[in-house]
Amino acid sequence: GQQVMQIPQYQHVQEGEDFTTYCNSSTTLSNIQWYKQRPGGHPVFLIQLVKSGEVKKQKRLTFQFGEAKKNSSLHITATQTTDVGTYFCAGVTSGTYKYIFGTGTRLKVLA
Amino acid sequence: NAGVMQNPRHLVRRRGQEARLRCSPMKGHSHVYWYRQLPEEGLKFMVYLQKENIIDESGMPKERFSAEFPKEGPSILRIQQVVRGDSAAYFCASSPGTRTEAFFGQGTRLTVV
Repeated sequence: GQQVMQIPQYQHVQEGEDFTTYCNSSTTLSNIQWYKQRPGGHPVFLIQLVKSGEVKKQKRLTFQFGEAKKNSSLHITATQTTDVGTYFCAGVTSGTYKYIFGTGTRLKVLA
Repeated sequence: NAGVMQNPRHLVRRRGQEARLRCSPMKGHSHVYWYRQLPEEGLKFMVYLQKENIIDESGMPKERFSAEFPKEGPSILRIQQVVRGDSAAYFCASSPGTRTEAFFGQGTRLTVV
């Protein structure tokens, strides 16, 4: 079945450093979404990417969708303590409607 | 517009009892997804429903688990004869259509003792 892997599993950074998490799917995706989950909280939608090679920015966050639509990345510039949490990608393949979540990257930001 | 409401937030059941988890989607949302999350793990897809229909239940265990989304009322995830391994956080999400932003509820933390 479809698998979505994320690396790294954990990342500790000093406040102000950059952070990147990578998402890789075993199958070509129709679109991909990114979510953030704070410790003890629930996933919160960040963004959706649909087009091959698409790049979207939200303030310090930059999201990319690979040309082959099998991978994606989230880059955070100059991390802040409020960025702490687990970042999940979630992809859907054509012909289906269920989003398969990646394994997540847990980010810790040291002040 | 209230968000996705799940109740109860915490549920303790003894082995062999039944657990009923409720999810009221956001107003105007007819698509509901249920996910299960073990501590420090990702979200595992369980089932996708539209009003009165199960669209995809490929992530649901064949036995003891069932889900419904009636015409009136919340979506229900039912776990019969719970076992310790069912202990997890169960999240519900709703969306207004397919392949659109999904809004998650706060989750129900189920503990089986």
